[in-house]
Amino acid sequence: DAGVTQSPTHLIKTRGQQVTLRCSPKSGHDTVSWYQQALGQGPQFIFQYYEEEERQRGNFPDRFSGHQFPNYSSELNVNALLLGDSALYLCASSLKAGLQETQYFGPGTRLLVL
Amino acid sequence: AQSVTQPDIHITVSEGASLELRCNYSYGATPYLFWYVQSPGQGLQLLLKYFSGDTLVQGIKGFEAEFKRSQSSFNLRKPSVHWSDAAEYFCAVGARSSNTGKLIFGQGTTLQVKP
Repeated sequence: DAGVTQSPTHLIKTRGQQVTLRCSPKSGHDTVSWYQQALGQGPQFIFQYYEEEERQRGNFPDRFSGHQFPNYSSELNVNALLLGDSALYLCASSLKAGLQETQYFGPGTRLLVL
Repeated sequence: AQSVTQPDIHITVSEGASLELRCNYSYGATPYLFWYVQSPGQGLQLLLKYFSGDTLVQGIKGFEAEFKRSQSSFNLRKPSVHWSDAAEYFCAVGARSSNTGKLIFGQGTTLQVKP
């Protein structure tokens, strides 16, 4: 049973560029959440996608956008990169079955903005 | 405001010693509670969770946690630490609502294990 997978594992970009990160959820899961984890910090919620729609959004600017595909996989896009966007980006998947949505995390994509 | 506090940023224990990692939360109602572990350069692995029922929950790798409503705490414990337990530990809370899937994390506690 495949867990949550993310690609790429590492990425280096320069300020002002755009980046796309990808996530495939755990088998059987239909909901994907994205988190940003800065060095030495806990993960911060960016947004969550369910039924191909953004369901909830954290306190992140519009430069952060996402998409969910019919097969439940998801992309996170960040435009106009800033140095402060350097972080580990974590994807988590869950199953929207009632109220108990345990989130399972992927290994993350480490983004470095120079 | 909703928040999670892990008062200990760094803890060092000897192998074989007992461990307790503290977690306090501020939330409008009783949330769902989680503990995750993160090894260097890795994602988060779920250790255990509390949704309802027995306030003492058992998790993987010999960990347990106790929910204390009166203290708004969800402390993680292990009776005997192994060197492989060295990692970063995160406490998280989630809402009891189908309208939100957001998890709020604490800052994390780094556990170092001395031989």
